[in-house]
Amino acid sequence: DTEVTQTPKHLVMGMTNKKSLKCEQHMGHRAMYWYKQKAKKPPELMFVYSYEKLSINESVPSRFSPECPNSSLLNLHLHALQPEDSALYLCASSQDLRAGGIYNEQFFGPGTRLTVL
Amino acid sequence: GENVEQHPSTLSVQEGDSAVIKCTYSDSASNYFPWYKQELGKGPQLIIDIRSNVGEKKDQRIAVTLNKTAKHFSLHITETQPEDSAVYFCAARIYNTDKLIFGTGTRLQVFP
Repeated sequence: DTEVTQTPKHLVMGMTNKKSLKCEQHMGHRAMYWYKQKAKKPPELMFVYSYEKLSINESVPSRFSPECPNSSLLNLHLHALQPEDSALYLCASSQDLRAGGIYNEQFFGPGTRLTVL
Repeated sequence: GENVEQHPSTLSVQEGDSAVIKCTYSDSASNYFPWYKQELGKGPQLIIDIRSNVGEKKDQRIAVTLNKTAKHFSLHITETQPEDSAVYFCAARIYNTDKLIFGTGTRLQVFP
């Protein structure tokens, strides 16, 4: 299985809502990532989890809260978002550096298209 | 900070022609350079990558070259087909981290 899956595919939420994005991989990867991608821009790193521990937070506002319940799952909890947070949210996974994945091939999921009204 | 520049931003070619996309990176310690293809409404797909210990890598119609001295790498697509139309992103890994720095993307259009 070489796939990263993400749910939901589309999400529309109000600024007072609480929602969660989900990501799953079964490749045995121990590093998982959240990226944000605006239209016509490259992916922008938000968070990195390595061995289920948060290793990188790119100064993301606290209204985005990541969670890694186990090595296969990654969640992104959303609360009190702003319209400018509307974007494609991408999950990716890779072998962790410590697992011998020194070249960090990252595999992306299809993304969740988020619209904040 | 680390930076990756990518050119051109758009590229239009006739079916069967070749396409070349170029990237320049700033971190001389970077040792891994992937290329991603992103079709409309989809996530980026890894199509080829190159490691700093080689100068060229080929996979059917796609090739990547790396010049470590000049700190640039290029994607070459030969015999282009309409299904090659997409946005292509280059990236460079920050040494000894899980971070990739992406280029700004190239929108490739292949006309039949």
